[in-house]
Amino acid sequence: EADIYQTPRYLVIGTGKKITLECSQTMGHDKMYWYQQDPGMELHLIHYSYGVNSTEKGDLSSESTVSRIRTEHFPLTLESARPSHTSQYLCASSDWGGFTEAFFGQGTRLTVV
Amino acid sequence: SQELEQSPQSLIVQEGKNLTINCTSSKTLYGLYWYKQKYGEGLIFLMMLQKGGEEKSHEKITAKLDEKKQQSSLHITASQPSHAGIYLCGADRGGSNYKLTFGKGTLLTVNP
Repeated sequence: EADIYQTPRYLVIGTGKKITLECSQTMGHDKMYWYQQDPGMELHLIHYSYGVNSTEKGDLSSESTVSRIRTEHFPLTLESARPSHTSQYLCASSDWGGFTEAFFGQGTRLTVV
Repeated sequence: SQELEQSPQSLIVQEGKNLTINCTSSKTLYGLYWYKQKYGEGLIFLMMLQKGGEEKSHEKITAKLDEKKQQSSLHITASQPSHAGIYLCGADRGGSNYKLTFGKGTLLTVNP
Protein backbone atom coordinates (compact mmCIF):
# COMPACT_ATOMS: atom_id res chain seq x y z
CA GLU A 1 0.00 0.00 0.00
CA ALA A 2 1.29 3.43 -1.00
CA ASP A 3 2.43 5.75 1.77
CA ILE A 4 1.31 8.99 0.22
CA TYR A 5 -1.42 11.06 1.79
CA GLN A 6 -3.52 13.97 0.70
CA THR A 7 -5.60 16.19 2.93
CA PRO A 8 -8.32 17.16 2.92
CA ARG A 9 -10.19 14.55 0.83
CA TYR A 10 -13.02 16.97 0.19
CA LEU A 11 -13.10 20.76 0.43
CA VAL A 12 -15.91 23.20 -0.28
CA ILE A 13 -14.80 26.80 -0.05
CA GLY A 14 -16.00 30.25 -1.03
CA THR A 15 -14.63 32.35 -3.87
CA GLY A 16 -11.62 34.47 -2.96
CA LYS A 17 -10.39 32.25 -0.13
CA LYS A 18 -6.81 31.10 0.12
CA ILE A 19 -6.40 27.34 0.29
CA THR A 20 -3.58 24.86 0.64
CA LEU A 21 -3.85 21.25 -0.39
CA GLU A 22 -1.48 19.01 1.50
CA CYS A 23 0.50 16.09 0.12
CA SER A 24 2.93 14.01 2.14
CA GLN A 25 4.84 10.82 1.42
CA THR A 26 6.91 8.64 3.72
CA MET A 27 8.80 6.72 1.04
CA GLY A 28 11.68 9.18 0.70
CA HIS A 29 10.87 9.78 -2.96
CA ASP A 30 12.64 12.64 -4.69
CA LYS A 31 10.05 13.17 -7.42
CA MET A 32 6.61 14.51 -6.66
CA TYR A 33 3.76 15.63 -8.92
CA TRP A 34 0.43 17.43 -8.87
CA TYR A 35 -2.26 16.58 -11.38
CA GLN A 36 -5.62 18.17 -12.03
CA GLN A 37 -8.28 15.80 -13.26
CA ASP A 38 -11.22 16.75 -15.47
CA PRO A 39 -14.69 15.38 -14.86
CA GLY A 40 -14.01 13.72 -18.21
CA MET A 41 -11.16 11.71 -16.65
CA GLU A 42 -8.12 13.35 -18.29
CA LEU A 43 -5.18 13.97 -15.95
CA HIS A 44 -3.24 17.18 -16.50
CA LEU A 45 0.21 17.63 -14.98
CA ILE A 46 0.28 21.08 -13.32
CA HIS A 47 3.42 20.96 -11.14
CA TYR A 48 6.33 18.66 -10.43
CA SER A 49 9.47 18.56 -8.36
CA TYR A 50 12.72 16.63 -8.58
CA GLY A 51 13.69 17.26 -4.98
CA VAL A 52 14.01 19.85 -2.23
CA ASN A 53 13.90 23.43 -3.56
CA SER A 54 13.05 22.17 -7.05
CA THR A 55 9.67 23.03 -8.58
CA GLU A 56 8.59 23.11 -12.21
CA LYS A 57 5.39 23.97 -13.99
CA GLY A 58 3.65 21.17 -15.81
CA ASP A 59 1.94 20.99 -19.17
CA LEU A 60 -1.28 22.67 -18.04
CA SER A 61 -1.05 26.27 -16.91
CA SER A 62 -2.33 26.68 -13.37
CA GLU A 63 -2.80 29.63 -11.05
CA SER A 64 -1.71 27.47 -8.16
CA THR A 65 1.78 27.47 -6.68
CA VAL A 66 3.80 24.75 -4.97
CA SER A 67 6.77 24.52 -2.65
CA ARG A 68 9.22 21.77 -1.72
CA ILE A 69 10.99 22.65 1.48
CA ARG A 70 11.12 19.08 2.74
CA THR A 71 11.46 15.88 0.74
CA GLU A 72 8.27 14.39 2.13
CA HIS A 73 6.01 17.41 1.72
CA PHE A 74 4.68 19.05 -1.48
CA PRO A 75 1.80 21.43 -0.73
CA LEU A 76 -0.23 23.20 -3.41
CA THR A 77 -1.62 26.68 -2.74
CA LEU A 78 -4.31 28.77 -4.38
CA GLU A 79 -4.10 32.38 -3.22
CA SER A 80 -7.63 33.26 -4.30
CA ALA A 81 -9.93 30.37 -5.16
CA ARG A 82 -12.39 30.69 -8.03
CA PRO A 83 -15.18 28.42 -9.31
CA SER A 84 -12.94 27.54 -12.29
CA HIS A 85 -10.58 25.86 -9.82
CA THR A 86 -13.23 23.30 -8.95
CA SER A 87 -11.66 19.94 -9.77
CA GLN A 88 -10.06 16.77 -8.45
CA TYR A 89 -6.39 17.25 -7.50
CA LEU A 90 -4.09 14.24 -7.34
CA CYS A 91 -0.61 14.11 -5.86
CA ALA A 92 1.97 11.45 -6.75
CA SER A 93 5.55 10.55 -5.97
CA SER A 94 8.22 8.31 -7.44
CA ASP A 95 11.76 7.30 -6.75
CA TRP A 96 14.69 8.85 -8.60
CA GLY A 97 15.90 7.08 -11.72
CA GLY A 98 14.00 6.34 -14.88
CA PHE A 99 10.96 4.21 -15.29
CA THR A 100 9.88 3.77 -11.74
CA GLU A 101 6.33 3.33 -10.52
CA ALA A 102 4.56 6.49 -9.38
CA PHE A 103 2.39 6.19 -6.28
CA PHE A 104 -0.76 8.28 -6.03
CA GLY A 105 -2.62 9.77 -3.12
CA GLN A 106 -6.38 9.43 -2.82
CA GLY A 107 -6.97 12.89 -4.19
CA THR A 108 -8.64 16.10 -3.00
CA ARG A 109 -12.01 17.01 -4.43
CA LEU A 110 -12.13 20.81 -4.41
CA THR A 111 -15.36 22.73 -4.94
CA VAL A 112 -15.29 26.51 -5.03
CA VAL A 113 -18.68 28.17 -4.64
CA SER B 1 4.67 17.15 -25.38
CA GLN B 2 4.12 13.42 -25.29
CA GLU B 3 0.67 12.89 -26.73
CA LEU B 4 -1.10 9.72 -25.77
CA GLU B 5 -4.31 8.66 -27.46
CA GLN B 6 -6.46 6.03 -25.79
CA SER B 7 -9.23 4.06 -27.42
CA PRO B 8 -11.99 3.47 -26.88
CA GLN B 9 -12.98 6.38 -24.67
CA SER B 10 -15.58 4.20 -22.98
CA LEU B 11 -16.49 0.55 -23.10
CA ILE B 12 -19.42 -1.47 -21.80
CA VAL B 13 -19.07 -5.23 -21.72
CA GLN B 14 -20.96 -8.17 -20.32
CA GLU B 15 -19.33 -10.04 -17.48
CA GLY B 16 -17.16 -12.84 -18.80
CA LYS B 17 -16.29 -11.12 -22.06
CA ASN B 18 -12.76 -10.24 -23.15
CA LEU B 19 -11.79 -6.67 -24.00
CA THR B 20 -8.85 -4.61 -25.23
CA ILE B 21 -7.88 -1.00 -24.58
CA ASN B 22 -5.30 0.69 -26.78
CA CYS B 23 -2.82 3.46 -26.12
CA THR B 24 -0.98 5.11 -29.02
CA SER B 25 1.83 7.61 -28.76
CA SER B 26 2.97 10.12 -31.34
CA LYS B 27 6.55 9.61 -30.13
CA THR B 28 8.70 6.70 -29.05
CA LEU B 29 7.80 5.50 -25.60
CA TYR B 30 10.63 5.06 -23.12
CA GLY B 31 8.39 3.75 -20.40
CA LEU B 32 4.68 2.98 -20.63
CA TYR B 33 2.54 2.63 -17.52
CA TRP B 34 -0.96 1.34 -17.00
CA TYR B 35 -3.01 2.53 -14.06
CA LYS B 36 -6.55 1.89 -12.90
CA GLN B 37 -8.73 4.40 -11.06
CA LYS B 38 -11.96 3.96 -9.21
CA TYR B 39 -14.19 7.01 -9.51
CA GLY B 40 -13.10 9.80 -7.17
CA GLU B 41 -10.02 7.98 -5.92
CA GLY B 42 -6.31 7.81 -6.63
CA LEU B 43 -4.60 5.74 -9.28
CA ILE B 44 -3.52 2.16 -8.71
CA PHE B 45 -0.44 0.96 -10.59
CA LEU B 46 -1.05 -2.07 -12.80
CA MET B 47 2.18 -2.56 -14.73
CA MET B 48 5.04 -0.90 -16.54
CA LEU B 49 6.52 -1.79 -19.93
CA GLN B 50 9.86 -0.65 -21.27
CA LYS B 51 11.15 -2.91 -23.96
CA GLY B 52 9.65 -3.27 -27.40
CA GLY B 53 7.72 -6.50 -27.59
CA GLU B 54 7.51 -6.76 -23.81
CA GLU B 55 4.40 -8.36 -22.40
CA LYS B 56 3.34 -8.54 -18.77
CA SER B 57 0.42 -10.17 -17.04
CA HIS B 58 -1.22 -9.80 -13.68
CA GLU B 59 -4.14 -12.07 -12.93
CA LYS B 60 -6.48 -11.62 -15.89
CA ILE B 61 -4.89 -8.44 -17.21
CA THR B 62 -2.18 -8.52 -19.89
CA ALA B 63 -0.37 -5.53 -21.36
CA LYS B 64 1.97 -5.41 -24.31
CA LEU B 65 4.27 -2.79 -25.80
CA ASP B 66 4.71 -3.12 -29.55
CA GLU B 67 8.09 -3.55 -31.22
CA LYS B 68 8.30 0.04 -32.40
CA LYS B 69 7.44 1.22 -28.90
CA GLN B 70 4.69 3.54 -29.95
CA GLN B 71 1.63 1.58 -28.99
CA SER B 72 0.49 -0.48 -26.07
CA SER B 73 -2.57 -2.63 -25.53
CA LEU B 74 -4.24 -3.74 -22.33
CA HIS B 75 -6.26 -6.94 -22.54
CA ILE B 76 -8.66 -8.23 -19.92
CA THR B 77 -9.76 -11.84 -20.12
CA ALA B 78 -13.11 -12.98 -18.76
CA SER B 79 -14.01 -9.58 -17.35
CA GLN B 80 -15.59 -9.21 -13.91
CA PRO B 81 -17.45 -6.33 -12.26
CA SER B 82 -14.30 -5.73 -10.18
CA HIS B 83 -12.51 -4.73 -13.38
CA ALA B 84 -14.78 -1.73 -13.81
CA GLY B 85 -13.14 1.66 -13.55
CA ILE B 86 -11.02 4.11 -15.49
CA TYR B 87 -7.89 2.80 -17.18
CA LEU B 88 -5.14 5.28 -17.90
CA CYS B 89 -1.95 4.85 -19.82
CA GLY B 90 0.98 7.03 -18.84
CA ALA B 91 4.38 7.68 -20.35
CA ASP B 92 7.54 9.60 -19.71
CA ARG B 93 10.09 11.20 -21.99
CA GLY B 94 13.04 9.47 -20.43
CA GLY B 95 16.37 10.98 -19.53
CA SER B 96 16.67 13.77 -17.03
CA ASN B 97 13.51 15.50 -18.21
CA TYR B 98 11.18 13.06 -16.56
CA LYS B 99 7.51 13.99 -16.58
CA LEU B 100 4.84 11.37 -16.22
CA THR B 101 1.90 12.33 -18.44
CA PHE B 102 -1.30 10.47 -19.21
CA GLY B 103 -3.80 9.69 -21.91
CA LYS B 104 -7.43 10.71 -21.54
CA GLY B 105 -8.49 7.42 -20.02
CA THR B 106 -10.94 4.66 -20.88
CA LEU B 107 -14.04 4.17 -18.76
CA LEU B 108 -14.85 0.48 -18.45
CA THR B 109 -18.25 -0.75 -17.30
CA VAL B 110 -18.80 -4.45 -16.72
CA ASN B 111 -22.42 -5.53 -16.49
CA PRO B 112 -23.20 -8.60 -14.41
